[in-house]
Amino acid sequence: DGGITQSPKYLFRKEGQNVTLSCEQNLNHDAMYWYRQDPGQGLRLIYYSQIVNDFQKGDIAEGYSVSREKKESFPLTVTSAQKNPTAFYLCASTPAAGGTYEQYFGPGTRLTVT
Amino acid sequence: AQSVTQPDIHITVSEGASLELRCNYSYGATPYLFWYVQSPGQGLQLLLKYFSGDTLVQGIKGFEAEFKRSQSSFNLRKPSVHWSDAAEYFCAVVLSSNTGKLIFGQGTTLQVKP
Repeated sequence: DGGITQSPKYLFRKEGQNVTLSCEQNLNHDAMYWYRQDPGQGLRLIYYSQIVNDFQKGDIAEGYSVSREKKESFPLTVTSAQKNPTAFYLCASTPAAGGTYEQYFGPGTRLTVT
Repeated sequence: AQSVTQPDIHITVSEGASLELRCNYSYGATPYLFWYVQSPGQGLQLLLKYFSGDTLVQGIKGFEAEFKRSQSSFNLRKPSVHWSDAAEYFCAVVLSSNTGKLIFGQGTTLQVKP
């Protein structure tokens, strides 16, 4: 079955540690996105990538980094510079930017930093 | 700047009653609009979308939405709510046709009373 996988579902880290969240898709989609979700704030865009080896900052990129070495994969690293990293993180993809615009979402990763 | 507003943070309806969730957008051109649903701890699932044409669009799970340009609205409706419809609902608009970026409303949580 085609879809987007995010792992792990729950992640716990100590403050000061970097942590990488995985996002993989087998939909052959070109564009991929990372969102952060906090209660009452909807979804906020962290980074997005329209093509392999290229990515752009979203609205809240500070303290995060990404890579796009393969079309299928778009990992997100939450660095120790992110002041408030505890949140629910969602990855999404779309066939091609400028196409249908419909984004397909993964199941999310809940990160807790203490 | 483009924005999406969902005026109702929380709505409670009785099972079998009708439902309307409000969404207002601020956008200069003809918008591409979406409604997504999110069950607790899960990713987002697309309910329906509007790009052009008939302003009344049908979606999955018995939902429909009507685009009203004069009111800058895209309200979601369902004639008879089921207990399984309890979830969080997000309205979204395409922010950029070049990048496929979406902007989301803050969400409306639907509670269904038996």
